[in-house]
Amino acid sequence: DTEVTQTPKHLVMGMTNKKSLKCEQHMGHRAMYWYKQKAKKPPELMFVYSYEKLSINESVPSRFSPECPNSSLLNLHLHALQPEDSALYLCASSQDEFAWGTGELFFGEGSRLTVL
Amino acid sequence: KQEVTQIPAALSVPEGENLVLNCSFTDSAIYNLQWFRQDPGKGLTSLLLIQSSQREQTSGRLNASLDKSSGRSTLYIAASQPGDSATYLCAAYGGSQGNLIFGKGTKLSVKP
Repeated sequence: DTEVTQTPKHLVMGMTNKKSLKCEQHMGHRAMYWYKQKAKKPPELMFVYSYEKLSINESVPSRFSPECPNSSLLNLHLHALQPEDSALYLCASSQDEFAWGTGELFFGEGSRLTVL
Repeated sequence: KQEVTQIPAALSVPEGENLVLNCSFTDSAIYNLQWFRQDPGKGLTSLLLIQSSQREQTSGRLNASLDKSSGRSTLYIAASQPGDSATYLCAAYGGSQGNLIFGKGTKLSVKP
């Protein structure tokens, strides 16, 4: 099973709402990632969790708050977002954090977020 | 700072043609390089991963090569089909940033 599952597939929220994106993998991977992708652009790294600890935060605004409850789950909590935050949010996982070399990265289908 | 470039940005070919997609990177100290496919509005599907010690990988009609000394990778697609139409992204791991750096992708259209 090489599947990364993301929910919801689509999310529309107002600027005052609080919502969460969820990601799950059962491949035994110890590194999980959040990426943001705008239309016609490559994915941009937001956060990396390695062995359930936040390893990399790419200077993401605090209105995005990641959480890794266990080795299979990754959440992204959203609060007070701006319309420019509308994008496809992608979750990925790999055997180990890519900074250590060899891991193949597996992506989910993404959550399409629209902020009104 | 690692930079990954993909040329061309878009490519249209007739069905059945063999084609090559190009990826270049500036820092040869990479751990590996991965090719992905992305359909519109969808996530990324891993196609091939080439370790830094390897020169090529094959999967079905796909063959990816890696030349670290010249900072280049190519993805060869044999006997292209309309179902191959998608955006193809390459991403290099490592370099001084120890991070995954994506190219901007090549949008491939295979005409029936």
